[in-house]
Amino acid sequence: EAEVAQSPRYKITEKSQAVAFWCDPISGHATLYWYRQILGQGPELLVQFQDESVVDDSQLPKDRFSAERLKGVDSTLKIQPAELGDSAMYLCASSLLGGFTDTQYFGPGTRLTVL
Amino acid sequence: QKEVEQNSGPLSVPEGAIASLNCTYSDRGSQSFFWYRQYSGKSPELIMFIYSNGDKEDGRFTAQLNKASQYVSLLIRDSQPSDSATYLCAVKGGQNFVFGPGTRLSVLP
Repeated sequence: EAEVAQSPRYKITEKSQAVAFWCDPISGHATLYWYRQILGQGPELLVQFQDESVVDDSQLPKDRFSAERLKGVDSTLKIQPAELGDSAMYLCASSLLGGFTDTQYFGPGTRLTVL
Repeated sequence: QKEVEQNSGPLSVPEGAIASLNCTYSDRGSQSFFWYRQYSGKSPELIMFIYSNGDKEDGRFTAQLNKASQYVSLLIRDSQPSDSATYLCAVKGGQNFVFGPGTRLSVLP
């Protein structure tokens, strides 16, 4: 069964350091999402790509976060510098086309701890 | 701002009972509605989706949608201890999914 791949699964870093997360969506899925989930809350959209184009990054803290999907396949989310409040689960999801009948499927997530 | 609300719980039900999870949303333009299950420390997994008013059944799960009341629910019949998890309601209008905070369900043996 096709799955969304993410790495690393766990990351511990010190504040002010740079971190990067990688996501490989289900093959053929044009839409890719990055979410942040704080413990006890629902996922919050950070950025959404349609192929290689950003369609929504309104909630992405652009002073420290960046995301790219250069060839419209896999994607990288970067945080520089990391802050204590960035500790969370970072989830990647993908969907086929992004229409209202589309469903999204999540990868296993990256648990980030900032010390 | 589009909002999705859920009772955070915990909702406790005995094994074999029906668990009823509720979700309300603010955007009347929302078109599709999803329920995800999330075990502690894991990522969300899709249970089912619904687009039209009424009921949709899938095994032990039934999703109910009332767009006039901006309300969607999930019923779990014959609840099992393995159903103990957080259930996330997600609403889509346009391109984005908006998630609720989730309801924690505990099924007691």
